[in-house]
Amino acid sequence: QVQLQESGPGLVKPSQTLSLTCTVSGGSISSGGYYWSWIRQHPGKGLEWIGYIYYSGSTYYNPSLKSRVTISVDTFKNQFSLKLRSVTAADTAVYYCAREYGDYPKGYGMDVWGQGTTVTVSS
Amino acid sequence: DIQMTQSPSSLSAPVGDRVTITCRASQSITSYLNWYQQKPGKAPKLLIYATSSFQSGVPSRFNGSGSGTDFTLTISSLQPEDFATYYCQQSYRIPYTFGQGTRLEIK
Repeated sequence: QVQLQESGPGLVKPSQTLSLTCTVSGGSISSGGYYWSWIRQHPGKGLEWIGYIYYSGSTYYNPSLKSRVTISVDTFKNQFSLKLRSVTAADTAVYYCAREYGDYPKGYGMDVWGQGTTVTVSS
Repeated sequence: DIQMTQSPSSLSAPVGDRVTITCRASQSITSYLNWYQQKPGKAPKLLIYATSSFQSGVPSRFNGSGSGTDFTLTISSLQPEDFATYYCQQSYRIPYTFGQGTRLEIK
């Protein structure tokens, strides 16, 4: 079955760029109907949807983060990535990648999740 | 953005009890409402999508209902493994948004 695994630095300095990659195994990122998502969870808090990408490269972002976020896909490596620029302590969170089945803008839930990776923004 | 409000924020109940968690959207989301279960230190797990459809492997004691703006998740007979935090999420309009969570604890 499809599995997702996040990777990237666990510590990022303020004002720098947070970069994470999600590797998809057990299936193809180019499978139609799936959107590849990033979600974060601040310490002890709820969930925040960051955005997602279709294998074609179409991206959809949360307007609250849109000016700082880029999500990209590498179909050859079966990976998708998150870049969040100009980070502050408020970006400290657990970052998850996930797969959403849907038909933009409607979705049917995120059925596969990575284990999550903790990113701390600190000097 | 569509605001999702869950109630209660926390709930204490004994094994075997029937519990209901509610989720209200700030505008109609028709049936695009999903429920997740999250245990400490783990990723959320999709339980129910599109209001009432079971994700594969989810026990039948979980049931979702509702439409428009008001939705419920009912657990018919609590089991020890059900104690967790539950989130609703709308997938009707970007940005997708989650409720604040309902923490279900053992009484």
